[in-house]
Amino acid sequence: GQSLEQPSEVTAVEGAIVQINCTYQTSGFYGLSWYQQHDGGAPTFLSYNALDGLEETGRFSSFLSRSDSYGYLLLQELQMKDSASYFCAVRGLIPPNTGGFKTIFGAGTRLFVKA
Amino acid sequence: DTAVSQTPKYLVTQMGNDKSIKCEQNLGHDTMYWYKQDSKKFLKIMFSYNNKELIINETVPNRFSPKSPDKAHLNLHINSLELGDSAVYFCASSKPGQGYGYTFGSGTRLTVV
Repeated sequence: GQSLEQPSEVTAVEGAIVQINCTYQTSGFYGLSWYQQHDGGAPTFLSYNALDGLEETGRFSSFLSRSDSYGYLLLQELQMKDSASYFCAVRGLIPPNTGGFKTIFGAGTRLFVKA
Repeated sequence: DTAVSQTPKYLVTQMGNDKSIKCEQNLGHDTMYWYKQDSKKFLKIMFSYNNKELIINETVPNRFSPKSPDKAHLNLHINSLELGDSAVYFCASSKPGQGYGYTFGSGTRLTVV
């Protein structure tokens, strides 16, 4: 099966850097995604890592280590508007390996940005 | 233009009723999904369709029945609603291949009373 673990809450101050970690277990791993969801809103796609290393998109970066089954989302120059829930999501094979994929979401990390 | 649109946005109904949620995407994506988000914000996949064909059917009560008349539409019908069905239901779509994220609709908040 597939499972993910991420911290339930993180608090940081405006202008700081915060890292949200995610560890996963899956068979047939294909990639790790990150999504942002503001209260009352829909999840929005931030990034996708299929290979080891760091992917940078503006203030947000995402890292993956396939050998450690671990990834993180790095948010720099935090702004108040970054207060939201952040979900890691793993894309893996649908058991019993029918050739299809599915994406399973973690429980989310609630980020509070303080002034 | 709205990429993935769901209707209705809010749905309040009594236990035992039957209701439907509609979803349409104008992105030309091949795959569509239904996810359920509970009060603890846990997003759980329910169904996935690829070009109108069901490819994922998670352990969901058979009171839930998806229907995809074409690849741009994926509707969800729920029979005999129960209190535990109260949640936010999100429709999403994606392009084939890796690296493409899901585009979610704005969600339907279902409250069963």
